[in-house]
Amino acid sequence: RKEVEQDPGPFNVPEGATVAFNCTYSNSASQSFFWYRQDCRKEPKLLMSVYSSGNEDGRFTAQLNRASQYISLLIRDSKLSDSATYLCVVGSFGGSQGNLIFGKGTKLSVKP
Amino acid sequence: DVKVTQSSRYLVKRTGEKVFLECVQDMDHENMFWYRQDPGLGLRLIYFSYDVKMKEKGDIPEGYSVSREKKERFSLILESASTNQTSMYLCASRGHYEQYFGPGTRLTVT
Repeated sequence: RKEVEQDPGPFNVPEGATVAFNCTYSNSASQSFFWYRQDCRKEPKLLMSVYSSGNEDGRFTAQLNRASQYISLLIRDSKLSDSATYLCVVGSFGGSQGNLIFGKGTKLSVKP
Repeated sequence: DVKVTQSSRYLVKRTGEKVFLECVQDMDHENMFWYRQDPGLGLRLIYFSYDVKMKEKGDIPEGYSVSREKKERFSLILESASTNQTSMYLCASRGHYEQYFGPGTRLTVT
């Protein structure tokens, strides 16, 4: 089983749509969870962290289900500028040590 | 703002050449990483370092080595470049939380 698995997409949605991405991870000892965003030909950048209680940042909502080892990202009212690849990231560490495991990414294309 | 800089955005080298990729971060981070990113394969960790002079192999260290003589600088070395090392190379650094990436070096080995 792959460590962090995502649907590669692409997800093609119209402006204003709501879109959801899912991600599963294999290491039950994982302690930190993130979504990163990567624009075409650019480096990945942190979008948001994912907490057990769920968290929201404007149009973006992230959820974590530890029992199912599942992470989600919901984007409401999609904008053209949301077009990018979204990387699910899992860290199996506490504090500053350890590595992040990156999923291969889900590509989103928002059309006018 | 955290800055992670890489010495070149684009590089073309010949097979067999020794290649140095340099990465510098300005936030006094202890952790630094080298990845390569290829279509369909995602980000793959080559080497990482938790401290000066310390290095650990990642998932695909073969054909690469690294050097960390100063805290802010982490170098990736291709001892004898091969065509299968043509890729995008991304350096990253991390303190206690967010991981910051450099802009990447697109290396072509001919």
